[in-house]
Amino acid sequence: EDQVTQSPEALRLQEGESSSLNCSYTVSGLRGLFWYRQDPGKGPEFLFTLYSAGEEKEKERLKATLTKKESFLHITAPKPEDSATYLCALIQGAQKLVFGQGTRLTINP
Amino acid sequence: EAGVAQSPRYKIIEKRQSVAFWCNPISGHATLYWYQQILGQGPKLLIQFQNNGVVDDSQLPKDRFSAERLKGVDSTLKIQPAKLEDSAVYLCASSSIAGEGAGIQYFGAGTRLSVL
Repeated sequence: EDQVTQSPEALRLQEGESSSLNCSYTVSGLRGLFWYRQDPGKGPEFLFTLYSAGEEKEKERLKATLTKKESFLHITAPKPEDSATYLCALIQGAQKLVFGQGTRLTINP
Repeated sequence: EAGVAQSPRYKIIEKRQSVAFWCNPISGHATLYWYQQILGQGPKLLIQFQNNGVVDDSQLPKDRFSAERLKGVDSTLKIQPAKLEDSAVYLCASSSIAGEGAGIQYFGAGTRLSVL
């Protein structure tokens, strides 16, 4: 059965302190991995889609990478407005997303 | 471009009562999804429609949950009767099946349901 595990569950950083969030997965045939950002009281907001090992995508202070077993979301010199829960998800079946439990990121000024 | 609209934003009911949620997807999006998100967890798919046909409802508790998408646009999700464990945020998402951004799911703000 396809599984997605995110770590850590929560991460607290100082402004400017770079770090990485991990998304480990098991799937029989990767069709795509998504990263979303979710702010309190809002729905998930799309960030990236990765389709094959070695692929990388960047947006502002965020960079997502993909290997055959895991994906990383690297955050460089974060700001307080980067505080949110970050979710990763696998595509399964007819475009259904299977989500991990998320990493709650807090950036202190 | 308008996003996915959901209403109500909040709902409080007692167990065994019924409740309905409404979703209006992004214009032109053929695929519509309902997810359940329990506090501290990632969203879990309940049902997926393409136009007005059901693609996947394998995780929908059909003894109490029902959903419809008449005319292939708006959708409603109903719970009858509600249980305490149904307390969650119900998220609606939509995606296009062609063109740039096909397959990317865009989410509404959700309806937070509390069952007392």
